[in-house]
Amino acid sequence: AQSVTQLGSHVSVSEGALVLLRCNYSSSVPPYLFWYVQYPNQGLQLLLKYTSAATLVKGINGFEAEFKKSETSFHLTKPSAHMSDAAEYFCAVSPGGTSYGKLTFGQGTILTVHP
Amino acid sequence: KAGVTQTPRYLIKTRGQQVTLSCSPISGHRSVSWYQQTPGQGLQFLFEYFSETQRNKGNFPGRFSGRQFSNSRSEMNVSTLELGDSALYLCASSRTGTDNEQFFGPGTRLTVL
Repeated sequence: AQSVTQLGSHVSVSEGALVLLRCNYSSSVPPYLFWYVQYPNQGLQLLLKYTSAATLVKGINGFEAEFKKSETSFHLTKPSAHMSDAAEYFCAVSPGGTSYGKLTFGQGTILTVHP
Repeated sequence: KAGVTQTPRYLIKTRGQQVTLSCSPISGHRSVSWYQQTPGQGLQFLFEYFSETQRNKGNFPGRFSGRQFSNSRSEMNVSTLELGDSALYLCASSRTGTDNEQFFGPGTRLTVL
């Protein structure tokens, strides 16, 4: 069975500071990994995904994530936070193949950005 | 290109009733997945449909069911509603569901009184 653990349910940063959201996964097969963002009263938007092509993945809005198999981690970073980055972020894993659409999500991390 | 649409956006029901939620995927997408989001349990996978067949299923009781039509639109039904069914129900569509991005709809907020 696959699982995802997001360390820290709340992260607070100042505008312009580094954003680091942590995600560790457990998977018995090579995983597909994703980061999604959810703004209030909206659905989920894909930020980036890892599908084994490259360990450093660049996404939208300046976010990137690095897949580290030895640490079973897929942490999300952004060099400089903007006020508009305030939202809830979810890490997710999929086993791929015909089960690709079966995402297992972490509990989410609420990012607060202070002026 | 229109995104994933879900209707209704908000719904209030009482315990014991049943409810049907609808999801229209992006044109050309054949896979539709459903998720339940609650503050306590987070985001949980319900089921996935592809070409009118249920391809994957999560760990939910049989009160939760779904179907997909030939135009890829999908419905999910919850019978004998319980208070704990109050949640945001999200659907997501993708072209084939095997190697493509899932696009999420805005969700249906179900409140069970």
